[in-house]
Amino acid sequence: QTVVTQEPSLTVSPGVTVTFTCSSSTGPVTSIYFPNWFQQKSGQAPRALIYSTNKKHSWTPVRFSGSLLGGKAALTLSSVQPEDEADYYCLVYYEDVWVFGGGTKLTVL
Amino acid sequence: QLQLQQSGPGLVKPSQTLSLTCAISGDSVSSNTATWNWIRQSPSRGPEWLGRTFYRSTWIYNYAPSVKGRIIITPDSSKNHFSLQLNSVTPEDTALYYCVRELAGGQWPPDWGQGTLVTVSS
Repeated sequence: QTVVTQEPSLTVSPGVTVTFTCSSSTGPVTSIYFPNWFQQKSGQAPRALIYSTNKKHSWTPVRFSGSLLGGKAALTLSSVQPEDEADYYCLVYYEDVWVFGGGTKLTVL
Repeated sequence: QLQLQQSGPGLVKPSQTLSLTCAISGDSVSSNTATWNWIRQSPSRGPEWLGRTFYRSTWIYNYAPSVKGRIIITPDSSKNHFSLQLNSVTPEDTALYYCVRELAGGQWPPDWGQGTLVTVSS
């Protein structure tokens, strides 16, 4: 079974740039994995921010961007705001199966 | 505008079968550009993709290895809904279950059902 790994937690100050990463036990993450990034706030369903590596939805704030970085999918959040405090999950596609990462809890102090 | 309306029991006994249905309005379960998924999230844990069905000249079914052998997803074109059946449940299957639409290109718009909390307990 594919295991997708993310940083368990990140703590940052407002205004900085933070990068989340997503790696796969099957090898380097590439565009054919169609990496997605979701944000989940308390009591809500996850909401996609990025699809197909780097494409944004109409509701995705400009400060979020997706990329591939050193064999991993990456989500970069520029100028972090207090309201960005949430859990972030990557979702990748491999051999007809979607697999979520374990998630990263972002704390903004 | 898409709406997904879930129905089904919130309490299931261990070893029995969990059954949920997701009624679709605003799209068709037979759409050639959508897939119809079930995702669950256990308390204090991340989401887990369980499986999907979609129609591309024939019906396709894909399931997560973690539940393969226990899961069946069934589309019903006449009622425009799709269902989840998870057999031989244990307390580890206690979770919030969602039906979700995925669009072509690996897009996951916020097309989620309202969620059904299913508790497995005797």
